[in-house]
Amino acid sequence: KNQVEQSPQSLIILEGKNCTLQCNYTVSPFSNLRWYKQDTGRGPVSLTIMTFSENTKSNGRYTATLDADTKQSSLHITASQLSDSASYICVVTRNSGNTPLVFGKGTRLSVIA
Amino acid sequence: SAVISQKPSRDICQRGTSLTIQCQVDSQVTMMFWYRQQPGQSLTLIATANQGSEATYESGFVIDKFPISRPNLTFSTLTVSNMSPEDSSIYLCSVELILAKNIQYFGAGTRLSVL
Repeated sequence: KNQVEQSPQSLIILEGKNCTLQCNYTVSPFSNLRWYKQDTGRGPVSLTIMTFSENTKSNGRYTATLDADTKQSSLHITASQLSDSASYICVVTRNSGNTPLVFGKGTRLSVIA
Repeated sequence: SAVISQKPSRDICQRGTSLTIQCQVDSQVTMMFWYRQQPGQSLTLIATANQGSEATYESGFVIDKFPISRPNLTFSTLTVSNMSPEDSSIYLCSVELILAKNIQYFGAGTRLSVL
């Protein structure tokens, strides 16, 4: 079954600290993996996209990693800011078939002062 | 990237009524999708909006409840019909651009509350 599991479900950290969010998937055939940031009441915004051959991709303070062998990805946020408070959703794209995108349930991150 | 205009941004509706949500894109797109995101849940694909023909619905979603139109490449509507409180969700339009395939861009969403 094609699934994307994210952990933790929620996370609270102090402003300025780093954190890492996890994503495990059992999706095949694999095309790419994306991390989205979704602010409350808004649509998801793409942070990074990685294909099978990419191990690391950075976007400012966000760094995503991908291990295609173990089917794991992580999103590392450095020097967190209050504006990082949002849900972070891991999305895996299948290379064929209907319903090509498989969404994780997201990690709810709260950054507090 | 693309600018996706979705409206209304939010609405409060009475049970039994219908609401039509519009999605307009400023770029040429290949695919347009409609998603639902229930409180605390991830996104669920409702249907793929096909230009000039009937939408392709996912399991659990039917045309009578969620009629969709896509008269041209850059515009689509989703109607939530005969609403009940269980339809309270965020409804999101998503597109795939001709020049950036395999990347989906999302609208800001429509927050619907049904009383």
